[in-house]
Amino acid sequence: ELKVEQNPLFLSMQEGKNYTIYCNYSTTSDRLYWYRQDPGKSLESLFVLLSNGAVKQEGRLMASLDTKARLSTLHITAAVHDLSATYFCAVVQYQMDSSYKLIFGSGTRLLVRP
Amino acid sequence: KAGVTQTPRYLIKTRGQQVTLSCSPISGHRSVSWYQQTPGQGLQFLFEYFSETQRNKGNFPGRFSGRQFSNSRSEMNVSTLELGDSALYLCASSLRPRSTGYTFGSGTRLTVV
Repeated sequence: ELKVEQNPLFLSMQEGKNYTIYCNYSTTSDRLYWYRQDPGKSLESLFVLLSNGAVKQEGRLMASLDTKARLSTLHITAAVHDLSATYFCAVVQYQMDSSYKLIFGSGTRLLVRP
Repeated sequence: KAGVTQTPRYLIKTRGQQVTLSCSPISGHRSVSWYQQTPGQGLQFLFEYFSETQRNKGNFPGRFSGRQFSNSRSEMNVSTLELGDSALYLCASSLRPRSTGYTFGSGTRLTVV
C-alpha cells in the first residue's frame, strides 16, 4: 500500500523567510499533487507534477519532483502572511483497470508570522 | 464554468440516523472520487466512480455506500451514523480516471451528535 509522508507537520515562520516542505512516498507513481487548504475550506489545487525533474512555480511557491528518490518539495520564498494555510501533497495510486485513488500526506500547517 | 457542487454544505444528524450527500461534478467530467477528512485520520479515500461503476473503495465499513448516475452526479450514503463519522466529506471530479487534474468541491461538513 502506497504511503505518503509529509514533514514538517507544523511550520511557524517569519515573513520574508524561506522554507521547504518535504513529501516522501513509498512506491512508484507517475503524478504528484500539491493542494492548499484554508481553515474550513476545500482543497485548492496548486501544482501537478508529472515527471522526474519537473519543477513548477507560482508566485512565492515552487514545487519539484524527484521520482527516483520518491520525493517532492514545496519551497516557499520570502513568505507572506497570505500563505498561512495547510498544504497537502497527494500521490495517485492506479490499479490495472485504471481505477485510482489519491493518497494524501498528513498535511503541513504553515503559519507565517509578521 | 461551474465547479464541483456538493450539497448540503452542513448537516447535523443524530447517532443511528442515515445521511445522503450529493456531488455534481464539473460539466463533462465523468470520474468522481470521495474523501473523508477528520483531524485524527486526515484525508482518506472513500470511493471512486466512473461510468456509473464503483471501481475502487477505501477501507471503510459497509455502512458507507455510494453510487453514480448516468449524468455523472454521485451520491454517498452513510447508514447507522456513529459519532466518529463526523467529518468533512469532499468529492473530486476529473474528466476521466487518468486525467491530470482532480478538482475538489467545497465539501459537506457532517456533524453527528
